[in-house]
Amino acid sequence: ETGVTQSPTHLIKTRGQQVTLRCSSQSGHNTVSWYQQALGQGPQFIFQYYREEENGRGNFPPRFSGLQFPNYSSELNVNALELDDSALYLCASSPLSQRGEQFFGPGTRLTVL
Amino acid sequence: DQQVKQNSPSLSVQEGRISILNCDYTNSMFDYFLWYKKYPAEGPTFLISISSIKDKNEDGRFTVFLNKSAKHLSLHIVPSQPGDSAVYFCAASVLAGNQFYFGTGTSLTVIP
Repeated sequence: ETGVTQSPTHLIKTRGQQVTLRCSSQSGHNTVSWYQQALGQGPQFIFQYYREEENGRGNFPPRFSGLQFPNYSSELNVNALELDDSALYLCASSPLSQRGEQFFGPGTRLTVL
Repeated sequence: DQQVKQNSPSLSVQEGRISILNCDYTNSMFDYFLWYKKYPAEGPTFLISISSIKDKNEDGRFTVFLNKSAKHLSLHIVPSQPGDSAVYFCAASVLAGNQFYFGTGTSLTVIP
């Protein structure tokens, strides 16, 4: 059984640019959540996708957007990058039940210069 | 506004002893709590959970205690092993909610 994978592992962008991060969910999981983890902080919920629809959103501006595909993989897009967007971005997948544990990928380290 | 707080950034414990990690929350609507463990360069991995209808849940060496009146939960690891050295996050969610709120983490070091 393949776990949650994310790509790229890390990348560097400059302020104002746009970035797309990718996530492949664990087999059988149809729900994907994205988190931002700034240095020294816990993961903060960005949004969740369930069956290709956004299913909840945290306190993040609209320049953070996402997609989920029919195979349940997902993308996180961030437009107009700001320095404070530098963080570890974590993707987590879970099965139909939303009350259980989430399975996290290793994350993408984004640095904005 | 941090709704889940872990006030101890780090903890050192001797191998074989008990490790106690603490977590406080402010939202009385939280009804489901989890602990995750994170090693460097890896994503968090689920450790143990507890529902608000319980005050204790045990899984091997790991026990989570929930005190709803104090809005406090703790994770006990007995006996502690060097492989337990990691960052531990507590997380909470609201009934029927899908958003998990995480604390800032406690770095546990188990000294051989």
